[in-house]
Amino acid sequence: QEQLVQSGGGVVPPGRTLRLSCAASGFNLRSYGIHWVRQAPGKGLEWVAFMSYDGAIEYYADSVKGRFTISRDNAKNSLFLLLNSLRGEDTAVYYCARQEWERWGQGTLVTVSS
Amino acid sequence: SYELTQPSSVSVSPGQTARITCSGEILTKKSTRWFQQKAGQAPVLVIYKDSDRPTGISERFSGSSSGTTVTLTISGARIEDEADYYCYSPADKSWVFGGGTKLTVL
Repeated sequence: QEQLVQSGGGVVPPGRTLRLSCAASGFNLRSYGIHWVRQAPGKGLEWVAFMSYDGAIEYYADSVKGRFTISRDNAKNSLFLLLNSLRGEDTAVYYCARQEWERWGQGTLVTVSS
Repeated sequence: SYELTQPSSVSVSPGQTARITCSGEILTKKSTRWFQQKAGQAPVLVIYKDSDRPTGISERFSGSSSGTTVTLTISGARIEDEADYYCYSPADKSWVFGGGTKLTVL
């Protein structure tokens, strides 16, 4: 069964760093681009970032550009989102999703609070 | 930046047809997807390429497009269709979601 399994959320103070993981199970992640999407409490979906299957293309939303970075480790069949300089408005559930949006991770909560 | 506009809420009685619209200039150039999100769950793709259904999605879900507006239609709405629905479109080096529509079936 094809799955994306996420980990790495938590509570962090403003200005700190957090790394989120998105591991593929049942398929080879190196064949797919991956999106990151977030959802603030009680709010709608916000696209955050995208990396192509080969890592050659990265796109970021203006709200996170320069602070968030995507990377991938094909040997571990995983992709990561590094969240730097976190702010209160980054508090959200973060989802990874396969390029065609037909597979999503379960989501992981990031809370930025002192 | 591009925007997609959806009504905040739609209400129908069980068995009726629910229609949820999504409007935006980008929709004349790009195809749309629709997602269903139930409380506490990850979104689920229900329509792609404006009107195609992924495997496993009920035939009661259909999509259409006309100019700058796309519409998700749920025929014979059921209680289990209660959820938030989001339209989405690719844009220029980014992807845009609509604000979401809460569908109530009661």
